[in-house]
Amino acid sequence: NAGVTQTPKFQVLKTGQSMTLQCAQDMNHNSMYWYRQDPGMGLRLIYYSASEGTTDKGEVPNGYNVSRLNKREFSLRLESAAPSQTSVYFCASWTGGLAGKDEQYFGPGTRLTVT
Amino acid sequence: QQQVKQSPQSLIVQKGGISIINCAYENTAFDYFPWYQQFPGKGPALLIAIRPDVSEKKEGRFTISFNKSAKQFSLHIMDSQPGDSATYFCAASKETSGSRLTFGEGTQLTVNP
Repeated sequence: NAGVTQTPKFQVLKTGQSMTLQCAQDMNHNSMYWYRQDPGMGLRLIYYSASEGTTDKGEVPNGYNVSRLNKREFSLRLESAAPSQTSVYFCASWTGGLAGKDEQYFGPGTRLTVT
Repeated sequence: QQQVKQSPQSLIVQKGGISIINCAYENTAFDYFPWYQQFPGKGPALLIAIRPDVSEKKEGRFTISFNKSAKQFSLHIMDSQPGDSATYFCAASKETSGSRLTFGEGTQLTVNP
């Protein structure tokens, strides 16, 4: 049981390049999330997926797209990276309140630098 | 617009002391208040959570105090240990669950031995 996994762990992009951050969970959770973490700003929700086949914008969606490929996988794409997207990106999944567990499980993060 | 404001930004405590982190919120529709703990290089993990039908919840050395009228809640860490050194985030949700969370800015806690 690996929990939530993210790839890559680190990435450096040049302005204008594109890339996809991958996330997978093996806990059979319905809901998945992408956050960015910046110093002094906490965790801000980029996009989320309440269930397979659905996605919704969060607080800071501009410049990003997502795909809920199946129940396990939720990817985040930067089409044209900008220095303002330099951040640590976390993927999470939610237990759904089943078996009395109400918790978001987070992956280890992807540190992205855009030069 | 930060809907959940957290203070202090950083906190240094001696081993055995009490660490106190405060959060305030504006939206009265919030009805679920968790705290997450994050160690360097790791993702956040749920520490403890409270719903507004109680004013206090205790789990071991960790206690959440909740003041609905003041729209404030706080985390108290008793007998703080060096292993508690981490970043702590408060959060709030208006869906009676942890499904959609708004996080505070975070507090970096250092416990000196």
